[in-house]
Amino acid sequence: QVHVVESGGGLVKPGESLRLSCAASGFLFSDFHMNWFRQAPGKRPEWLSYISDDGGHSDYADSVQGRFSVSRDNDKNILYLQMKSLTVDDTAVYYCARGGMTTLTRGRCDSWGQGTLVSVS
Amino acid sequence: IQMTQTPSSLSASLGDRVIITCRAGQARPSINSYLNWYQQKPGKAPRLLIFATSSLESGVPSRFRGGASGTDFTLTIDSLQFEDFATYYCHQSYSVPFTFGQGTKVELK
Repeated sequence: QVHVVESGGGLVKPGESLRLSCAASGFLFSDFHMNWFRQAPGKRPEWLSYISDDGGHSDYADSVQGRFSVSRDNDKNILYLQMKSLTVDDTAVYYCARGGMTTLTRGRCDSWGQGTLVSVS
Repeated sequence: IQMTQTPSSLSASLGDRVIITCRAGQARPSINSYLNWYQQKPGKAPRLLIFATSSLESGVPSRFRGGASGTDFTLTIDSLQFEDFATYYCHQSYSVPFTFGQGTKVELK
């Protein structure tokens, strides 16, 4: 059964950094593109970042470009999101989600974690 | 790509047919293969229902249908069930940044 589980959220002060992790199981992690999203209370989900199956390519939303960095360890089946220079506007539940196996389906996310809360205050 | 979803909320009864509409700020044929619908319940992650406009995700009941008409994409729920009361989002995965509509909250009348 496909599972992705986020961890690493918490309460931080503005300007601080945080690294989120997403542990994947139940599928061949290295075959799939992966994404990060977040959702502030009462708002629609917001796509943040994508990383290709081999980690060789990534994209970012303008709102996090230059502050957030996505990476993956295909040997350990873990996806990461390194976040720095956090602001109060970054407060949200952060989700990792499995994309597809091809570039064309990279954003079609069929399995999501339960989310991890990041609070910046 | 801006996604405009209507209505923002609706009230319906059990057994009703519900239609939610989403318009993309890009010619519809080019994103047909990249238009997805998600369901989200409070405190839960989004759940993929429909991908590529009209393909039903595995395990999703057949009362959920995706389609397109003119310039719009549609999500239809035939015979609304209790577990369908939730918020629904359209989503384009054609080009980054991948974007969502503002959501439609389906409530019990």
